[in-house]
Amino acid sequence: DGGITQSPKYLFRKEGQNVTLSCEQNLNHDAMYWYRQDPGQGLRLIYYSQIVNDFQKGDIAEGYSVSREKKESFPLTVTSAQKNPTAFYLCASSISLAGARSTDTQYFGPGTRLTVL
Amino acid sequence: GESVGLHLPTLSVQEGDNSIINCAYSNSASDYFIWYKQESGKGPQFIIDIRSNMDKRQGQRVTVLLNKTVKHLSLQIAATQPGDSAVYFCAENSGGSNYKLTFGKGTLLTVNP
Repeated sequence: DGGITQSPKYLFRKEGQNVTLSCEQNLNHDAMYWYRQDPGQGLRLIYYSQIVNDFQKGDIAEGYSVSREKKESFPLTVTSAQKNPTAFYLCASSISLAGARSTDTQYFGPGTRLTVL
Repeated sequence: GESVGLHLPTLSVQEGDNSIINCAYSNSASDYFIWYKQESGKGPQFIIDIRSNMDKRQGQRVTVLLNKTVKHLSLQIAATQPGDSAVYFCAENSGGSNYKLTFGKGTLLTVNP
């Protein structure tokens, strides 16, 4: 069964804690992305990765970190430096980085809802 | 700045009617557009896409129309069903060296039985 999985579905964080959100894909996609979704707003790009061991900041990278040690995995860490982390986090992947082939569709995982206690 | 937006934030239709959801974009360099459907608490689901060299594309019960003259995109859903109730949003890719998808805020479609 191919697709993108995210875990956990719900995550609670105490102030001052770092938490890591998991994203795995078995679609053999090169590019992976992390977005944040807040009520009434469009998706905002946090980080993206075109290839293993490479990643770039998106529009709102402050307070977040990522790694891309394997093609299938792109975990996102929400650090204590992120002042307003409560949001719905979405991971996506595409065959390649969209800029290289502008018609590459991004496919999304089911999301992780992070709440700060 | 460049943006993707929607004309209507909410749309309520009767089951069996056709639905039309609109989206305006401002980046004339955009060459690829996608419509997504997002149900409550779930990730966005790809519905249909269209390239800028096309005016119309049809899928199963859905049609996307692109009017480059007025920078307008629409999603038509035929014979709307209760399962179509969701937030629909468009995204544009400016292409070239720009990796980004720019997302609209979404329209909430409610289908009344």
